[in-house]
Amino acid sequence: GAVVSQHPSRVICKSGTSVKIECRSLDFQATTMFWYRQFPKQSLMLMATSNEGSKATYEQGVEKDKFLINHASLTLSTLTVTSAHPEDSSFYICSARSGVMLTFFGQGTRLTVV
Amino acid sequence: GESVGLHLPTLSVQEGDNSIINCAYSNSASDYFIWYKQESGKGPQFIIDIRSNMDKRQGQRVTVLLNKTVKHLSLQIAATQPGDSAVYFCAENIEQAGTALIFGKGTTLSVSS
Repeated sequence: GAVVSQHPSRVICKSGTSVKIECRSLDFQATTMFWYRQFPKQSLMLMATSNEGSKATYEQGVEKDKFLINHASLTLSTLTVTSAHPEDSSFYICSARSGVMLTFFGQGTRLTVV
Repeated sequence: GESVGLHLPTLSVQEGDNSIINCAYSNSASDYFIWYKQESGKGPQFIIDIRSNMDKRQGQRVTVLLNKTVKHLSLQIAATQPGDSAVYFCAENIEQAGTALIFGKGTTLSVSS
């Protein structure tokens, strides 16, 4: 089946620094990628939808200047958490899809801001 | 807000029992539904899907039932095993719209041997 690779799987950063998370579709071209955030014991909450070559569409309440999304190619999307704070600590998950085919999820990135 | 929900936060069963996990959705326009399994620290793993033109779909040890009249979805796991212990989420979308999957709150399944 299709594979979506997310990197890093875990990252610890200092408060005020920025962290970049990569999401790659390894064996298909992802026209659309999605970024989710999941707090402990909660569900996945959609943060933004990213189409290749276009600006990302953010969900209500998600700060676009804080969570920078770049989808520069059909196989790579990046999420940069800028000026991270402890409340940004969460599990970030990307998913990728080509057209209306099945959506595939990455393994997730555990971000801890200290 | 979430468009799917209504769940039992936790479900505890004995190994070998059948498990039923329920989900209600609120968007009557949704036509595609998926059940995912998520183990601790990992991304969601696809289990089974169903489209709105069906009311039942079976996989290996799993069955998904869809009741469009009451907007209810269920996942049945036969002969539950300790390896089935995880959090289970239902997700929905409007398939041809190409929009994101919206997830329900999840049910934690604990299987004791």
